[in-house]
Amino acid sequence: RKEVEQDPGPFNVPEGATVAFNCTYSNSASQSFFWYRQDCRKEPKLLMSVYSSGNEDGRFTAQLNRASQYISLLIRDSKLSDSATYLCVVNLGGDSNYQLIWGAGTKLIIKP
Amino acid sequence: SAVISQKPSRDICQRGTSLTIQCQVDSQVTMMFWYRQQPGQSLTLIATANQGSEATYESGFVIDKFPISRPNLTFSTLTVSNMSPEDSSIYLCSVGTYWDQPQHFGDGTRLSIL
Repeated sequence: RKEVEQDPGPFNVPEGATVAFNCTYSNSASQSFFWYRQDCRKEPKLLMSVYSSGNEDGRFTAQLNRASQYISLLIRDSKLSDSATYLCVVNLGGDSNYQLIWGAGTKLIIKP
Repeated sequence: SAVISQKPSRDICQRGTSLTIQCQVDSQVTMMFWYRQQPGQSLTLIATANQGSEATYESGFVIDKFPISRPNLTFSTLTVSNMSPEDSSIYLCSVGTYWDQPQHFGDGTRLSIL
């Protein structure tokens, strides 16, 4: 089992719809979690950090389920500009073990 | 967050040559990292650049192939040595402040080897 798994997609979603995708992780000791978005041929940019049960920022909501070891990202009222690859990142944690494990990403395509 | 500049932004190189990529940050940062992202793949960590000491390499990456320097808290270089077409990739520099904080990236170096 991969340490961080994501559905590669693509998710084809009409503009204005709500879309959600999950990311599962294997290490129960994982401490912090991040969602990044990456546009084609660009660097990853931080979308949201998740430290406790979840986080919300405008149209974006991230939720953490430690019991089932997954985090989700929900995008409401999707815009054409939301089209990107969304990378789930898990921090294994600990002062002596700062290591981010990157998922392979979920590709999202918002259609007009 | 810190402003991270990478140079060059892209290059096309002949096989067997070497290229040094620079990463400059506008403020002092605790941690600097070098990643590789091959076409259609996610990010792979090459090494952690340690200020004043040898970099810490991940499995599959060695110092002879990817020598790294970090002379101070704002600058690092990654050299891709004796390049082959398999080294064609995007190379990304990132910085971090503390273990539970996210990393932030430079805009990457797109490298093609002929």
